[in-house]
Amino acid sequence: AQRVTQPEKLLSVFKGAPVELKCNYSYSGSPELFWYVQYSRQRLQLLLRHISRESIKGFTADLNKGETSFHLKKPFAQEEDSAMYYCALAVLYNQGGKLIFGQGTELSVKP
Amino acid sequence: DTGVSQNPRHKITKRGQNVTFRCDPISEHNRLYWYRQTLGQGPEFLTYFQNEAQLEKSRLLSDRFSAERPKGSFSTLEIQRTEQGDSAMYLCASSSGTVRGQPQHFGDGTRLSIL
Repeated sequence: AQRVTQPEKLLSVFKGAPVELKCNYSYSGSPELFWYVQYSRQRLQLLLRHISRESIKGFTADLNKGETSFHLKKPFAQEEDSAMYYCALAVLYNQGGKLIFGQGTELSVKP
Repeated sequence: DTGVSQNPRHKITKRGQNVTFRCDPISEHNRLYWYRQTLGQGPEFLTYFQNEAQLEKSRLLSDRFSAERPKGSFSTLEIQRTEQGDSAMYLCASSSGTVRGQPQHFGDGTRLSIL
């Protein structure tokens, strides 16, 4: 079965603390994973994707096929990082495909 | 380019009524997706278009739901005989290639409330 699991609904940290948002997936094919972020009153937007191996706003995520994980990390959280974060798995079929999302983790960074 | 545009932003209707939502994708994007999001959950896939062809529909899309994308430009999602369970945020996304090749860009969504 194709599934994305984000075990934490809410993660609360203090400014300057490290952050790790967990994401585990289940997929029989070769996975392609994304992190999307939704700031308050804004639309869902792409944060990063594993194939580009880039760092956006200080966030990184490494695909670990052995552990079927794609955790999002940032060494020093900022208040402006407070948002809803969704991990998504791309399932390719029929010339296109779809994204399967986790239920999301709300990150709250306190001053 | 203002990105993916969805109208209306909010829709309140009585149970049993029909509703229609519109999505205007980013102009050069040939792929268009509809998702539904309920409170506390991530978006769930409903259907997908490549140009004007509807290539995939989720089992979530009952026969009361119909989506079109005439001429491969904007898309409409219609719900007939609405039910309480249809209350949700309906999101539209577009991309210029396959899911693997290009990320999907989302609109602000249409929030549907059924009285």
